Amino acid sequence: AQTVTQSQPEMSVQEAETVTLSCTYDTSENNYYLFWYKQPPSRQMILVIRQEAYKQQNATENRFSVNFQKAAKSFSLKISDSQLGDTAMYFCAGDWGSNYKLTFGKGTLLTVNP
Amino acid sequence: DTGVSQNPRHKITKRGQNVTFRCDPISEHNRLYWYRQTLGQGPEFLTYFQNEAQLEKSRLLSDRFSAERPKGSFSTLEIQRTEQGDSAMYLCASSLMALGEGEAFFGQGTRLTVV
Repeated sequence: AQTVTQSQPEMSVQEAETVTLSCTYDTSENNYYLFWYKQPPSRQMILVIRQEAYKQQNATENRFSVNFQKAAKSFSLKISDSQLGDTAMYFCAGDWGSNYKLTFGKGTLLTVNP
Repeated sequence: DTGVSQNPRHKITKRGQNVTFRCDPISEHNRLYWYRQTLGQGPEFLTYFQNEAQLEKSRLLSDRFSAERPKGSFSTLEIQRTEQGDSAMYLCASSLMALGEGEAFFGQGTRLTVV
């Protein structure tokens, strides 16, 4: 079974600092996609960043970047220059080739302190 | 607002009653997804539509659950004879392309409380 594990239930960071959220996964598939989603309080979930497993280069989106280690099945999210608006629940998710079904981790609640 | 719309936002129902939720996807999106999120957990896949065809239904969806997407537009999720274990946030998402190629946009969800 494909699984996604987020081992940090909660994290906090000071505004303007850098924080890394961890995610590991398990799959026997070779071609898959990995995602980080952000769910702010009482707001809808939005996509932060996506990584194709066949690409060795780590994805980046402005202040957000990933460290994708395929052999280790690790997919961490780095947020640079943290802002108060980054406070949210962050979910790591995988699509193991279906192109329609996401498997989510339990999430990490990130609080950015002023 | 042209995002994914879900109604109602909150629903409180007595055990044993039937409930129906509605999802209006982004207008040009032909793919629609339902997920369930319980407290302290990530969303779990329930079902997937491409246009009006329901292509997969999770084993999480017992016979009491049914989803439809008539004419490939809005979708409804019905739960019959609700149980306390059905209490959760029900999320709808839509996309124009497959997840590997495009982005799924989520609605704000319908929070169901069964008392």
